[in-house]
Amino acid sequence: EAGVVQSPRYKIIEKKQPVAFWCNPISGHNTLYWYLQNLGQGPELLIRYENEEAVDDSQLPKDRFSAERLKGVDSTLKIQPAELGDSAVYLCASSPRDSPNTGELFFGEGSRLTVL
Amino acid sequence: QKEVEQNSGPLSVPEGAIASLNCTYSDRGSQSFFWYRQYSGKSPELIMFIYSNGDKEDGRFTAQLNKASQYVSLLIRDSQPSDSATYLCAVTPGGYNKLIFGAGTRLAVHP
Repeated sequence: EAGVVQSPRYKIIEKKQPVAFWCNPISGHNTLYWYLQNLGQGPELLIRYENEEAVDDSQLPKDRFSAERLKGVDSTLKIQPAELGDSAVYLCASSPRDSPNTGELFFGEGSRLTVL
Repeated sequence: QKEVEQNSGPLSVPEGAIASLNCTYSDRGSQSFFWYRQYSGKSPELIMFIYSNGDKEDGRFTAQLNKASQYVSLLIRDSQPSDSATYLCAVTPGGYNKLIFGAGTRLAVHP
């Protein structure tokens, strides 16, 4: 079974440029998460989807960040414009319908963003 | 106060010893507790979860939970160099279906 797929793995951009990350969750997983992980820190939730509905986006900086999950499968996370402080790893994770409280999230390899 | 606190380490133990990793949490209503392992440059992977007070064992790993003290720990017996990684404690706060992660403890097992 294929795992969570993310792209690109690495992205280097100049500040004020836009950037987008793509995530394909494990087949059949209805819950999708975007986390941000800074160096030496744990992952921080940005947004959680149940199917195509964003059920928790309270930590998403909506002035520059946006996300979508069309058709309840793939998802994209966009930053426009990027700032120096956005340099981090952006992790996508998914979990199946029947385990929302078991906490077993399946993470992708992450997209490492460097803003110059 | 952070919601989930861990000592950043590094925790250095010799091969074959017991590694003890600790975590405290602030929300007394927290219901579920997890330990994730993250190798350098890789993504986190779940290794243990615990819901009830007491101990839960899985192979060389034992998770311990004390809700009264708001404390959860992970013991790794017979530590191996391959156990060297960052261990992330995660908690589901009361009433919320999401995971809050601690900053992680870096474990180094030396031969």
